[in-house]
Amino acid sequence: DIQMTQSPSSLSASVGDRVTITCRASQSISKSLNWYLQKPGRAPKLLIYAASSLQSGVPSRFSGSGSGTDFTLTISSLQPEDFATYYCQQSFSTTVTFGPGTKVDIK
Amino acid sequence: QVQLVQSGAEVRKPGSSVTVSCKASGGTFSNYAINWVRQATGQGLEWMGSIIPNFGPANYAQNFQGRVTITADESTSAAYMELTSLRSEDTAVYYCARRQQRKDMYSSAWYDSFDIWGQGTMVTVSS
Repeated sequence: DIQMTQSPSSLSASVGDRVTITCRASQSISKSLNWYLQKPGRAPKLLIYAASSLQSGVPSRFSGSGSGTDFTLTISSLQPEDFATYYCQQSFSTTVTFGPGTKVDIK
Repeated sequence: QVQLVQSGAEVRKPGSSVTVSCKASGGTFSNYAINWVRQATGQGLEWMGSIIPNFGPANYAQNFQGRVTITADESTSAAYMELTSLRSEDTAVYYCARRQQRKDMYSSAWYDSFDIWGQGTMVTVSS
């Protein structure tokens, strides 16, 4: 299976901060990388698909980049509703795998 | 807009089985794969398997081979996940999710993502 890692595992930030989360795949996955946001007690929500495409209805402060093995999720100006856990997911192989998550909380 | 509505919370004893359902509301499953993902309390997301209704056999993660069965009925827009030989480590929230496939306009490559999720079903395994 393709292994996914994320860094950092957690971070503290303030409203208005620029936040960057990285995700690395154990082998090349082209652009088959998705990002999800999850709040406690809720299902994950798709933010970015195909590494850099913004899902419909998601604010433009979210952006994604990367290809191959290294990917980045950027939140340009953190808003109160963005405090959550973020997961990357590879959909390159039939066996889908997720990263361990990055928890973003309030500084 | 399609919503996925899952069945309610379940409590089971070790060694027993559980079936969780996932029904499309406001639309159908047509041509979409339905995936199952679970999340133990405080843990990450673990993919279990997927099925395309009326298209062929389900595909399972190696960790669940032999214990999980995923089925779907396109006529009722419902999918089901049965997990057998339950143990305490199976205590988790189980989600169904729709796989969306999109074609990149420049490369013509296809990319998958899970664009619609059910609300989750808590399964507790306890003696």
